[in-house]
Amino acid sequence: GAVVSQHPSRVICKSGTSVKIECRSLDFQATTMFWYRQFPKQSLMLMATSNEGSKATYEQGVEKDKFLINHASLTLSTLTVTSAHPEDSSFYICRDPGRGGRDTGELFFGEGSRLTVL
Amino acid sequence: SQQGEEDPQALSIQEGENATMNCSYKTSINNLQWYRQNSGRGLVHLILIRSNEREKHSGRLRVTLDTSKKSSSLLITASRAADTASYFCATERTDSWGKLQFGAGTQVVVTP
Repeated sequence: GAVVSQHPSRVICKSGTSVKIECRSLDFQATTMFWYRQFPKQSLMLMATSNEGSKATYEQGVEKDKFLINHASLTLSTLTVTSAHPEDSSFYICRDPGRGGRDTGELFFGEGSRLTVL
Repeated sequence: SQQGEEDPQALSIQEGENATMNCSYKTSINNLQWYRQNSGRGLVHLILIRSNEREKHSGRLRVTLDTSKKSSSLLITASRAADTASYFCATERTDSWGKLQFGAGTQVVVTP
């Protein structure tokens, strides 16, 4: 079964509203989670790394105030797209940090959340 | 910048044929991973190959890694219609633990 649960799988919202996406680690405690965005027919681009108990680390070019990331517990990370606009429409996917030793080992992704902003 | 570049971008084959796709990268890596993504779905981990490994098998999948050429290949043997999906390589760089850089992907269509 899934080890990373993401919700909602689909969301449609009006321009200007905020949308929250949840990512849960089901079988282990994750001090970090990674958030990716994927536009249609394109690859995944890393947006940010959430850190339990501290601020998220954002990749270059990603607006911190636009994409609020919170990692309130060892099993839950959230991504909030604030004041969403049509250009924010995308597929957002979270990923656990891995359980390997020397490197990350096998990684697990959430099922993704498709956001459509009208 | 994109770490992994894949070719071909698209591949159309018939059931039973083999599918080969390649991935190139630019920096030193800890490992390289291959993922499958069905349309509109999340990613499914297929296989991980570490930087000190040269070849790995998993069922009908065979992955090679050539660190001198900074390239990897994924071979799917005896393809099935259910193998239709996009395939991505992803690298974990030695200077950024935990972060994966994805290639552009290869869209594979297997026709019955």
